[in-house]
Amino acid sequence: DAGVIQSPRHEVTEMGQEVTLRCKPISGHNSLFWYRQTMMRGLELLIYFNNNVPIDDSGMPEDRFSAKMPNASFSTLKIQPSEPRDSAVYFCASSLVREANEQFFGPGTRLTVL
Amino acid sequence: AQSVAQPEDQVNVAEGNPLTVKCTYSVSGNPYLFWYVQYPNRGLQFLLKYITGDNLVKGSYGFEAEFNKSQTSFHLKKPSALVSDSALYFCAVRDPYSSASKIIFGSGTRLSIRP
Repeated sequence: DAGVIQSPRHEVTEMGQEVTLRCKPISGHNSLFWYRQTMMRGLELLIYFNNNVPIDDSGMPEDRFSAKMPNASFSTLKIQPSEPRDSAVYFCASSLVREANEQFFGPGTRLTVL
Repeated sequence: AQSVAQPEDQVNVAEGNPLTVKCTYSVSGNPYLFWYVQYPNRGLQFLLKYITGDNLVKGSYGFEAEFNKSQTSFHLKKPSALVSDSALYFCAVRDPYSSASKIIFGSGTRLSIRP
């Protein structure tokens, strides 16, 4: 089975530009999570969805960040406008909602904002 | 609040020796505990989990973890380390108040195995 798919794998952009990261969860999974990983702050949960509905976006750092899940097989994380401090690796993970189910992570998108 | 603590930023072990990566937890109710591994430039990979039952849980790549309720610990272990085990390891706990399968990650421990 295909795992979680993320695109692009690498993104280099200039400050002020819009950035869109994409995620395709594992088929049949009904929870989706967006994380950010940096050396300074470690792994941070940004937002998660259950059955395509955003449940908790308290980890989204600023209004510049937004996430959508228009259907069960696709989600986007958008940063507009981007800033150098947004440089990080962004991971998407999916899971089947049961009490103790593990999450499956994608390979990540490495974002560099110049 | 639910949390996990990984007290060691780095663990260094010689190849062939046993390894332990420590984790303690704080959670309301029954703890559902996880270990993940992250190799360089990769996403996190699930290793094992504890739900209930036997306190010794076996997982991928020869790893196991021991659940200790009295010490609120869930240490990751392997009898004989390999150089290829060098990676970043995360302990995590299920958030019992989440309507989705949200888990809370520790800060990570970097495991370095020297030949």
